[in-house]
Amino acid sequence: AQSVTQLGSHVSVSEGALVLLRCNYSSSVPPYLFWYVQYPNQGLQLLLKYTSAATLVKGINGFEAEFKKSETSFHLTKPSAHMRDAAEYFCAVSQNSGYALNFGKGTSLLVTP
Amino acid sequence: DTGVSQDPRHKITKRGQNVTFRCDPISEHNRLYWYRQTLGQGPEFLTYFQNEAQLEKSRLLSDRFSAERPKGSFSTLEIQRTEQGDSAMYLCASSPSGTVNYGYTFGSGTRLTVV
Repeated sequence: AQSVTQLGSHVSVSEGALVLLRCNYSSSVPPYLFWYVQYPNQGLQLLLKYTSAATLVKGINGFEAEFKKSETSFHLTKPSAHMRDAAEYFCAVSQNSGYALNFGKGTSLLVTP
Repeated sequence: DTGVSQDPRHKITKRGQNVTFRCDPISEHNRLYWYRQTLGQGPEFLTYFQNEAQLEKSRLLSDRFSAERPKGSFSTLEIQRTEQGDSAMYLCASSPSGTVNYGYTFGSGTRLTVV
């Protein structure tokens, strides 16, 4: 079974600082990996996805993530945080197309002025 | 197409009542998924359809939960004899079929409160 672990339920950064949200996965087969963002009282929006092509994946809103098989990691980064980035971020893994996404517990990102 | 639509956005019901939620997926997506999200947790997979066929339902939380997608378009999720523990956000997602998983498009969810 596939699973992800998000390290840190809450992360606080200053506006303009680097954002780093950590995700480690467990999978017995090559995984599909995703990052989603959720704003209050809304559904989830796909930020980016890894589908076994390039290991460095660029997404929307200036976010990117790097797939590191040796570390079983898929950490999310953004060079400079904006106030509008404050939200809940979820890492997810899937075995294959059409299979369920297994989500982590999420990391709440707080951006301070 | 405006994305995945869920109705209602909010539902308050008394314990023991039945509730039904509707999901309209993106029209060209033939896969549809239901998830539940409780406070402070990530979404939890419940069930999924390919067209009208329900291909996975073993993770529905109990026999009080059921889902249908009769014509392969919209879907409904019903909870019978609701309990306070059913209070959560119920999310629907859809995706196209294919061999590569490009991720799912989620709706805004239905927030259920059981009092």
